[in-house]
Amino acid sequence: KQEVTQIPAALSVPEGENLVLNCSFTDSAIYNLQWFRQDPGKGLTSLLLIQSSQREQTSGRLNASLDKSSGRSTLYIAASQPGDSATYLCASTGGGADGLTFGKGTHLIIQP
Amino acid sequence: DAGVIQSPRHEVTEMGQEVTLRCKPISGHDYLFWYRQTMMRGLELLIYFNNNVPIDDSGMPEDRFSAKMPNASFSTLKIQPSEPRDSAVYFCASSSAGGGTYEQYFGPGTRLTVT
Repeated sequence: KQEVTQIPAALSVPEGENLVLNCSFTDSAIYNLQWFRQDPGKGLTSLLLIQSSQREQTSGRLNASLDKSSGRSTLYIAASQPGDSATYLCASTGGGADGLTFGKGTHLIIQP
Repeated sequence: DAGVIQSPRHEVTEMGQEVTLRCKPISGHDYLFWYRQTMMRGLELLIYFNNNVPIDDSGMPEDRFSAKMPNASFSTLKIQPSEPRDSAVYFCASSSAGGGTYEQYFGPGTRLTVT
């Protein structure tokens, strides 16, 4: 059974810093990996999706990488802003049509 | 598109009552997922459908939970009878095989409180 772990559970950094969120998974036979953002009391917003054949995806200040052999993904946020404060979740799926297995998330606070 | 639509957004009910949560997936999506989020367990998959047919319901916690998808644009998750431990946020998501990514899009969730 796939297990997804996110480290750290919480992170607080000053505005303007670059930061990295980590995600690890136990079963490397994944189809894709998605990074989501969740604001308090809100739903999930998809940030980036990396297919198993890809190494990374970029969207604006966000860059996500995938290393299947080591069972790791990272989400890099450049020039952090207070508006980036949220919980970031990573999730993987073993088959394209399967449900997602989620990590517990990293609660990120960007200090103004 | 309006995205995935869920109703109600909040539900407060007493233990023993029946609760029905509703979901409208994104038009054209042929996969629909129900997830539950709690502080203790995080986000967990309950059940998912493909072309209105349940594919995997192994995440449904017990027989008190049931889900249906009578057509491509509507699904329900029913809890009968409800218990306080069912209190959680229930999310519906949909995806499509088109493009091969199967990217999942989530609704805003239904916050259920059982007293």
